[in-house]
Amino acid sequence: ETGVTQTPRHLVMGMTNKKSLKCEQHLGHNAMYWYKQSAKKPLELMFVYNFKEQTENNSVPSRFSPECPNSSHLFLHLHTLQPEDSALYLCASSQGGGVTEAFFGQGTRLTVV
Amino acid sequence: KQEVTQIPAALSVPEGENLVLNCSFTDSAIYNLQWFRQDPGKGLTSLLLIQSSQREQTSGRLNASLDKSSGRSTLYIAASQPGDSATYLCAVPSTGTASKLTFGTGTRLQVTL
Repeated sequence: ETGVTQTPRHLVMGMTNKKSLKCEQHLGHNAMYWYKQSAKKPLELMFVYNFKEQTENNSVPSRFSPECPNSSHLFLHLHTLQPEDSALYLCASSQGGGVTEAFFGQGTRLTVV
Repeated sequence: KQEVTQIPAALSVPEGENLVLNCSFTDSAIYNLQWFRQDPGKGLTSLLLIQSSQREQTSGRLNASLDKSSGRSTLYIAASQPGDSATYLCAVPSTGTASKLTFGTGTRLQVTL
């Protein structure tokens, strides 16, 4: 158990569906992140939240909508995705400021059909 | 823009061998460097974090070194075991934005019996 929990672990959705990914951290961290990992590509940062405020949006399409209601929870709302959005979505947290260790969840394997 | 390269992309060694994984980065003005392990389809497990003021960090059979001036880090694994088989990733904070991690594409390690 890493202290960062993601649900669900696997998700299959159609292109017209709406679904949400959830991330919860029990480490008392102030920063939370969404990363995307596609086959044979480096991890790509999608969003960063510091103290519930979004501080980074790495040119992510609007069909991905993050939400951070508090410092412990992070959601990624998915709507009208494309098959190329199929990937492993990883949530991470850190104390903040980027100068401390980042901890990752187990990821959600998303398949868009 | 920070870029991270890991060599080799894949490595297969017999059990018991000592091995070295390499990571290089283009911008030496980093706060720290982190090594992760990723098992297939799973999230990332933090192995070692080296602060920019440090030259190396050790954890059990793992030793990571950092040479900021040359933009290089190595992960040394002593007496490798089949359980060490995984993908190893290094990551550094992106230039100018400490909260963003830039990852290499990883080294896929297989330790055979």
